[in-house]
Amino acid sequence: QVQLQESGPGLVKPSETLSLTCTVSSGSVSSGSSYWNWIRQPPGKGLEWIGYIYYTGNTKYNPSLKSRVTISVDTSKNQFSLRLSSVTAADTAVYYCARGYNYNSRMDVWGPGTTVTVSS
Amino acid sequence: DIQMTQSPSSLSASVGDRVTITCQASQDISNSLSWYQQKPGIAPKLLIYGASNLQTGAPSRFSGSGSGTLFTFTISSLQPEDIATYYCQQCDNLPYTFGQGTRLEIK
Repeated sequence: QVQLQESGPGLVKPSETLSLTCTVSSGSVSSGSSYWNWIRQPPGKGLEWIGYIYYTGNTKYNPSLKSRVTISVDTSKNQFSLRLSSVTAADTAVYYCARGYNYNSRMDVWGPGTTVTVSS
Repeated sequence: DIQMTQSPSSLSASVGDRVTITCQASQDISNSLSWYQQKPGIAPKLLIYGASNLQTGAPSRFSGSGSGTLFTFTISSLQPEDIATYYCQQCDNLPYTFGQGTRLEIK
């Protein structure tokens, strides 16, 4: 069973760039049936899809964040990453990585999530 | 963006009750709908995909139905471990969007 684990700094200063990595284990980020997603959840609020990447490097982003988001994949390390620039307090959230099984389909495997706080 | 509206926002029920949550999409999404369960401090867990397909390992008391713009999620007999927040999510159009969640409590 594929497992995902997020990692990265838990505290980021305003205006700086948030960087997180999701490590894929017991599976391959190069799987042709998988799309690798980032989702976030502000404290006490609902879920927001950030974007996804396919192993070929093809990406799709939420237009609400598109100007600030970059998702990349490293097949040699079996990882994919999120960069969110010019962060503000509104970007404080739990960030999850998740596998999308097939194109435009369910997200069936999720990482445990990592909390990122934006504060000086 | 497709708006997903869940009702109710919160629900209190007794163990053994049949519980139903509704999710309405702002436009036709065919059957491209998933339901997730989230317990406090834990990542969401997929329960239903394709509107009515039970995810492997999910208890059979969970079910889903609907197509187009109106969907329902049902717990046939509520168990104490079902206390959680439930989210619907459409994957028909980008950006993927979630309902606001339904918080389920035990009466």
